[in-house]
Amino acid sequence: DQQVKQNSPSLSVQEGRISILNCDYTNSMFDYFLWYKKYPAEGPTFLISISSIKDKNEDGRFTVFLNKSAKHLSLHIVPSQPGDSAVYFCAASARRDDKIIFGKGTRLHILP
Amino acid sequence: EAQVTQNPRYLITVTGKKLTVTCSQNMNHEYMSWYRQDPGLGLRQIYYSMNVEVTDKGDVPEGYKVSRKEKRNFPLILESPSPNQTSLYFCASRGGRYTEAFFGQGTRLTVV
Repeated sequence: DQQVKQNSPSLSVQEGRISILNCDYTNSMFDYFLWYKKYPAEGPTFLISISSIKDKNEDGRFTVFLNKSAKHLSLHIVPSQPGDSAVYFCAASARRDDKIIFGKGTRLHILP
Repeated sequence: EAQVTQNPRYLITVTGKKLTVTCSQNMNHEYMSWYRQDPGLGLRQIYYSMNVEVTDKGDVPEGYKVSRKEKRNFPLILESPSPNQTSLYFCASRGGRYTEAFFGQGTRLTVV
């Protein structure tokens, strides 16, 4: 049973435009959400997080939106840059057991 | 420099030959985890530890062992590796609840 779902395996966006990556979750106990970026041959690196008490968190070009009623979060990257081409993982954790559960990832291609 | 260090980075071994992948962090983090990354499956948690001598199973613990005798180290042990354990492995640490996890560079394991 997949608790964190990233339904788009890949996404292509023109350089300079907005990239929107989506994530859905099923466990209502999740209260902390994170986005990670991963380049080939490297470990995932943390991008941005959001607590369930918020619906938006912004850090430079990256904004994460959380819709608790829909159990949906999204990562917006504006403007998209060539270095943003990578695999993006959505992740979530619950107070109960403190595990971090990851989605399968979305590969983002930024087109010149 | 704050980091999570895994060794080795690459390993080819034969079925049944016991091996250990080491993980060390220098951030005094309480939480440590092991993940494996497989194509189409994303990052799946193998084991995690919330403190010294406290470990718990993740989503795919079969065939793996861990130990947490010291805060900084969290080795992953494969007592009798099999080809289905061929994967890319990541160790991660985090300081506590509502904090991000820091990942190591990964260990690519091939079991023939």
